[in-house]
Amino acid sequence: GAGVSQTPSNKVTEKGKYVELRCDPISGHTALYWYRQSLGQGPEFLIYFQGTGAADDSGLPNDRFFAVRPEGSVSTLKIQRTERGDSAMYLCASSLGSGGPYEQYFGPGTRLTVT
Amino acid sequence: ELKVEQNPLFLSMQEGKNYTIYCNYSTTSDRLYWYRQDPGKSLESLFVLLSNGAVKQEGRLMASLDTKARLSTLHITAAVHDLSATYFCAVESGNTPLVFGKGTRLSVIA
Repeated sequence: GAGVSQTPSNKVTEKGKYVELRCDPISGHTALYWYRQSLGQGPEFLIYFQGTGAADDSGLPNDRFFAVRPEGSVSTLKIQRTERGDSAMYLCASSLGSGGPYEQYFGPGTRLTVT
Repeated sequence: ELKVEQNPLFLSMQEGKNYTIYCNYSTTSDRLYWYRQDPGKSLESLFVLLSNGAVKQEGRLMASLDTKARLSTLHITAAVHDLSATYFCAVESGNTPLVFGKGTRLSVIA
């Protein structure tokens, strides 16, 4: 079946602009996760959803970052007033549930470059 | 706070040789994962280790978990060029989200 998809695959934007990154999870997966991976580093947790609600948003770096999942499927990560330090690969993952033996499946990522 | 440390961070191996990558973590874990990442690509799941003494093997890679020592190893046997990639371990504990190590960049040379 189809895996996790993310769009766009690449996004270049100017400092100060607003961007939206989209994640389409595997059908039936109730948990959805966002991670940010800077060059040469491991992925860092940003936020995860169980259904429509954000169960843990402790990884969001500041209030410029926001994510939604209004219907419990597709999620959008929104970044306001982008800064050069936001440049990274943004990875989305989904799983059948949270906690327990539910493996996360990762999407191909969106590479964000802020100029 | 859960911390995950991998070593080495960089590894250059000759084809045909064996080597081990180490992953230490700071608190009890429920699940430990190994992932592979090729340049510019996403993460490919290699192994999920759930219990003390768990050992899993796939081709030239073998992963093990010692929960008492809070240590996992990824052993590479008779390395080939196709194994060149970055390998990450990640640990999940309770309801905390996955915490990744910094990764081990493996380069297999002829």
